[in-house]
Amino acid sequence: NAGVTQTPKFRILKIGQSMTLQCAQDMNHNYMYWYRQDPGMGLKLIYYSVGAGITDKGEVPNGYNVSRSTTEYFPLRLELAAPSQTSVYFCASSYGLLDIEQFFGPGTRLTVL
Amino acid sequence: GQQLNQSPQSMFIQEGEDVSMNCTSSSMFNTWLWYKQDPGEGPVLLIALYKAGELTSNGRLTAQFGITRKDSFLNISASIPSDVGIYFCAGRENGGSQGNLIFGKGTKLSVKP
Repeated sequence: NAGVTQTPKFRILKIGQSMTLQCAQDMNHNYMYWYRQDPGMGLKLIYYSVGAGITDKGEVPNGYNVSRSTTEYFPLRLELAAPSQTSVYFCASSYGLLDIEQFFGPGTRLTVL
Repeated sequence: GQQLNQSPQSMFIQEGEDVSMNCTSSSMFNTWLWYKQDPGEGPVLLIALYKAGELTSNGRLTAQFGITRKDSFLNISASIPSDVGIYFCAGRENGGSQGNLIFGKGTKLSVKP
């Protein structure tokens, strides 16, 4: 199993550009999550999904969109990049309600200039 | 949103010393997790706690779920250089959204050989 994979590892965007952060998991997990991690801070939940076709906002959803057309993939979309979105983004997955352990991908480091 | 208070923020210790860090919450949690993050990587689960008063060990690591449900601690005994990293506590509140975790800001551990 590859676990949770994320691409790209690094990206630099100009203000106003858009991009999609890719996330895939091969563990057949129902739940998937997107977090951002700012320097010296814990992880903040952006969006999460409890299954294909179902997504919901987390603590900091503004400026982002997600979709979950299949169990395996959970892309995160930035439509109009802003400097405040400079961060490290982590995708995670877990099996379900009774299995709280979340497995994390290696992260995408995004810089918006 | 809900915040976890994690302390200390950073620690500089000598190899072989024991380490202790803790997390507190203003509300009761029904699950506590401890993660470790190596530089450039995503967090990896170390220990999960599911019951108030529970004491769980994983090698040199020991964690406890406080009986008030509002705190947890992590101890590392006989530290070694590979213990270097950032340790995060995370928890799920009683009645919290399915699968959602709240993270502390992390404890950065440095170990001097």
